Amino acid sequence: LAKTTQPISMDSYEGQEVNITCSHNNIATNDYITWYQQFPSQGPRFIIQGYKTKVTNEVASLFIPADRKSSTLSLPRVSLSDTAVYYCLVALLSGNEKLTFGTGTRLTIIP
Amino acid sequence: DVKVTQSSRYLVKRTGEKVFLECVQDMDHENMFWYRQDPGLGLRLIYFSYDVKMKEKGDIPEGYSVSREKKERFSLILESASTNQTSMYLCASSATGQGNQPQHFGDGTRLSIL
Repeated sequence: LAKTTQPISMDSYEGQEVNITCSHNNIATNDYITWYQQFPSQGPRFIIQGYKTKVTNEVASLFIPADRKSSTLSLPRVSLSDTAVYYCLVALLSGNEKLTFGTGTRLTIIP
Repeated sequence: DVKVTQSSRYLVKRTGEKVFLECVQDMDHENMFWYRQDPGLGLRLIYFSYDVKMKEKGDIPEGYSVSREKKERFSLILESASTNQTSMYLCASSATGQGNQPQHFGDGTRLSIL
């Protein structure tokens, strides 16, 4: 199982770009990388997923280097509502999925 | 919209009791999961199921069992609750298909064992 490591916490000011990095040294060939966002008293919510290089959607970008041993979630121009815990998940391609969440990064946006 | 419903938001039980946590999804998903979430430890997988009547152990299955008699329902069972099982429990579901399908989570059950 691929294990993941993330910073415990980060602070940023409103309007800035925030980058959160996840290390997954033992990632397997077929593993995908998925990021989730969690607000207090709610379950995690899917943000973005990728396999290699770069993926972008309406809320974030995901950068994955060629060796795939790390990935970086990028949140452009954050606002106070982006204050949450962000989880990196590395999982098998399909079938009997063994899923390993990181411990999460608590992002605090400062006005 | 996707919906995963956990039967209770808060639950208080006593040591030694048999505890059932219920989860229902309305998306016809094949896969269902149970996690526990503790401060500093993130989400840890207890059990998952990829089909009716099928189950697989996750990282921390000790002290738990599961039941999946119908596709939409996945139950977590604490056979004899202990204080170290006080935690937030999260249920999730996902489809099976090409690539890694995102999981959809319920809002959790905060369980206290006294």
